[in-house]
Amino acid sequence: EVKLVESGGGLVQPGGSRRLSCAASGFNFDDYAMHWVRQAPGKGLEWVAGISWNGGGLGYADSVNGRFTVSRDNAKNSVYLQMHSLRTEDTAVYYCAKGPEEQLVLAWLDPWGPGTLVTVSS
Amino acid sequence: EIVLTQSPGTLSLSPGERATLSCRASQSVGSSYFAWYQQKPGQAPRLLIYGTSNRATGIPDRFSGSGSGTDFTLTISRLAPEDFAVYYCQQYDRSPRTFGQGTKVEIK
Repeated sequence: EVKLVESGGGLVQPGGSRRLSCAASGFNFDDYAMHWVRQAPGKGLEWVAGISWNGGGLGYADSVNGRFTVSRDNAKNSVYLQMHSLRTEDTAVYYCAKGPEEQLVLAWLDPWGPGTLVTVSS
Repeated sequence: EIVLTQSPGTLSLSPGERATLSCRASQSVGSSYFAWYQQKPGQAPRLLIYGTSNRATGIPDRFSGSGSGTDFTLTISRLAPEDFAVYYCQQYDRSPRTFGQGTKVEIK
């Protein structure tokens, strides 16, 4: 069974940093691109970032470009989202999700993890 | 950025009825690059349809997708009780990948 589990959420002050992790199991992790998507409370979905199988391909939403960095460690079957200069509008549930192929070209997302809540507030 | 606009915002229907959800893109999207997701309260989204019309693994055949260019449709032929949820469209033709704002299908 393919399984994704996010961790690292919590309360962060504006301007602070946080690192999210996503542990994957049940598939050959280094054969697939991975993505992060967020959902602000009561709002819709926003794609945040994606990383190809070997980290050679990266993509970011304009809203986080320059502040967030996605990375992966294939030896640990994990993908990460390092977040800096956090703003109140970054408050959201952050989901990691698996892409269908090695690269970022095809980016339907299946499955998704249960998500981790990041709250940016003073 | 490609903006996806879903309509209607809320669809009130009874179990057994047909649901037709629309998603309009601000620019043309390749048919291989369009998906639909279902989200229930407190849960992560679930992939329903990819490549405009391909059902994901385990998705019942009452769900179907169609469309091309800027207009895409998700149809649920006969609503089951478990289908009442929020549905999102997504394009992955161009970066950034974008989602629609969602359509809520509620029990009438």
